[in-house]
Amino acid sequence: DARVTQTPRDKVTEMGQEVTMRCQPILGHNTVFWYRQTMMQGLELLAYFRNRAPLDDSGMPKDRFSAEMPDATLATLKIQPSEPRDSAVYFCASGLVTGTGGNTEAFFGQGTRLTVV
Amino acid sequence: RKEVEQDPGPFNVPEGATVAFNCTYSNSASQSFFWYRQDCRKEPKLLMSVYSSGNEDGRFTAQLNRASQYISLLIRDSKLSDSATYLCVVTSTDSWGKLQFGAGTQVVVTP
Repeated sequence: DARVTQTPRDKVTEMGQEVTMRCQPILGHNTVFWYRQTMMQGLELLAYFRNRAPLDDSGMPKDRFSAEMPDATLATLKIQPSEPRDSAVYFCASGLVTGTGGNTEAFFGQGTRLTVV
Repeated sequence: RKEVEQDPGPFNVPEGATVAFNCTYSNSASQSFFWYRQDCRKEPKLLMSVYSSGNEDGRFTAQLNRASQYISLLIRDSKLSDSATYLCVVTSTDSWGKLQFGAGTQVVVTP
């Protein structure tokens, strides 16, 4: 049963520490999304990749956040240094986008619940 | 103005009743439409795609109105397990497949 896998599921860290979240997209999907969800803001798109190339990371605070896809089976989201306001659930999703821009369904991982104290 | 807007609710629905709600989108280049469901403290899960001609999946019916730029979701014979937040998702031809989420509509089905 294909699924998006995210690690860790929960992370508690102290302010100032580096946090790395990992995502394994579904094999064959060409698009990977990173979202952040808080009670106040809902789902915010941080960045997304097509065929491992970043397409849009305008939703990400550039000074402290970075997103990469070292290979087709791994996407990473790093926060350095972390701050209490970064506390949220971070979701990775993957999907298949055709050449015309049409989407098939996107599937979400279970998320990483980050708490920065 | 947000690209995708939803009534946050909550819609309080007696068990067995019908509930319907809409989602409006602002980008006329919008191409693909989906409804996702999110339970408390869980990830969003695809409920159904929305096709131009409208489509039905069991008790759920989705409609698309391109002229007025909205999609709708109707739930018939509501079950307690239908209580969730329903997220509207739109992609556009000018955004390379970026998924734009609405803030969600909360549905609470009561006994």
